[in-house]
Amino acid sequence: QKEVEQDPGPLSVPEGAIVSLNCTYSNSAFQYFMWYRQYSRKGPELLMYTYSSGNKEDGRFTAQVDKSSKYISLFIRDSQPSDSATYLCAMSRNDYKLSFGAGTTVTVRA
Amino acid sequence: GAVVSQHPSWVICKSGTSVKIECRSLDFQATTMFWYRQFPKQSLMLMATSNEGSKATYEQGVEKDKFLINHASLTLSTLTVTSAHPEDSSFYICSAPGPNEQFFGPGTRLTVL
Repeated sequence: QKEVEQDPGPLSVPEGAIVSLNCTYSNSAFQYFMWYRQYSRKGPELLMYTYSSGNKEDGRFTAQVDKSSKYISLFIRDSQPSDSATYLCAMSRNDYKLSFGAGTTVTVRA
Repeated sequence: GAVVSQHPSWVICKSGTSVKIECRSLDFQATTMFWYRQFPKQSLMLMATSNEGSKATYEQGVEKDKFLINHASLTLSTLTVTSAHPEDSSFYICSAPGPNEQFFGPGTRLTVL
């Protein structure tokens, strides 16, 4: 069983729709939870970072963490074609080592 | 924000040769850097932790004699793929913990013929 599970998609939505992404994990030692965006053949860029259960909002992005269920989510409101990318969840203990999900490829149709 | 660079961005080599990939933190010092490998349509997998002034630590299943890591200074780590084979073809990405987050390099695409 992988430490971090993420549905690879692909996911296709019309412009303006809400994109919903999620990951589950098995290791309760994970303390920090992140979402990265990766464009083709580029390094990942950090979108959201949380370390406690609950919601965190940043513009059109909302990250949710439920530690009791070992489940994290990312929501993108009012999606734009420029949001088309692969979204990776990642998590770590307290040592900066990141365990990544498989990544979900998202396409926002104009 | 903080920047991590990698060089080269793309390299093609013949089977059996060695390839060196550089990872630099451009505006901050990094005593630790991480090397990841990403196969097509797969996630990033941590290969090793590069430590300035000491030996690298490798994740389970990663051959330390094949993937040589040298953390020469507080801003430079190198990954050398020795005796490369076609199955080593992949996207190699480094990262460095910076202020408040971990910063990733743009990646190096290695193709071994």
